[in-house]
Amino acid sequence: QVQLVESGGGLVKPGGSLRLSCAASGFIFSDYYMSWIRQAPGKGLEWVSSISTSGSTIFYVDSVKGRFTISRDNAKNSLYLQMNSLRAEDTAVYYCAGYYYDSSLDFWGQGTLITVSS
Amino acid sequence: SYELTQPPSVSVSPGQTARITCSGDALPKKYAYWYQQKSGQAPVLVIYEDSQRPSGIPERFSGSSSGTMATLTISGAQVEDEADYYCYSTDSSGNPLFGGGTKLTVL
Repeated sequence: QVQLVESGGGLVKPGGSLRLSCAASGFIFSDYYMSWIRQAPGKGLEWVSSISTSGSTIFYVDSVKGRFTISRDNAKNSLYLQMNSLRAEDTAVYYCAGYYYDSSLDFWGQGTLITVSS
Repeated sequence: SYELTQPPSVSVSPGQTARITCSGDALPKKYAYWYQQKSGQAPVLVIYEDSQRPSGIPERFSGSSSGTMATLTISGAQVEDEADYYCYSTDSSGNPLFGGGTKLTVL
């Protein structure tokens, strides 16, 4: 069955860095665009970043541009999010999700919590 | 920038019909999707392409879209339908876009 498993979350100080990973199985990973979606405590869902099937096209929400870097390794069926210069407002559960371009998010992981606090 | 607007909350009694709206200027050109999220869980797709229901979703869930407004209807809402519901579409670059979410209370 389809599985997306995020890892790499935890507690980090403001200004620190973390790298999230998302391991995919049960579907043809290289056929799907992938996104990171986050949800701050008690808040709604927010799209963070997307990467095309080949990795050649990448988008970010304005609030993370220049600080976060999305990447993928189709040979390893894995998605990554390098997060630098973290801020308190980046505190959230981060989900990875897979979708066909311009369509619904078909597959979701269970999320990993990032807490940015001193 | 393009936005999707939902009411923050909707409340109904069990067995009543709940309607959650989503407005967005691009909805005449873009499909609307609906996700249900229960506390502590990942979102689950309940309606895709305006009005299609994925397999396994109860028939009481339906969707419609007209002009700039999409609507999720839960006919005969049940206590287990209590959750947050998010309208979803895509922006001009094809990236995911969420509405602010609607908390449905069934009591």
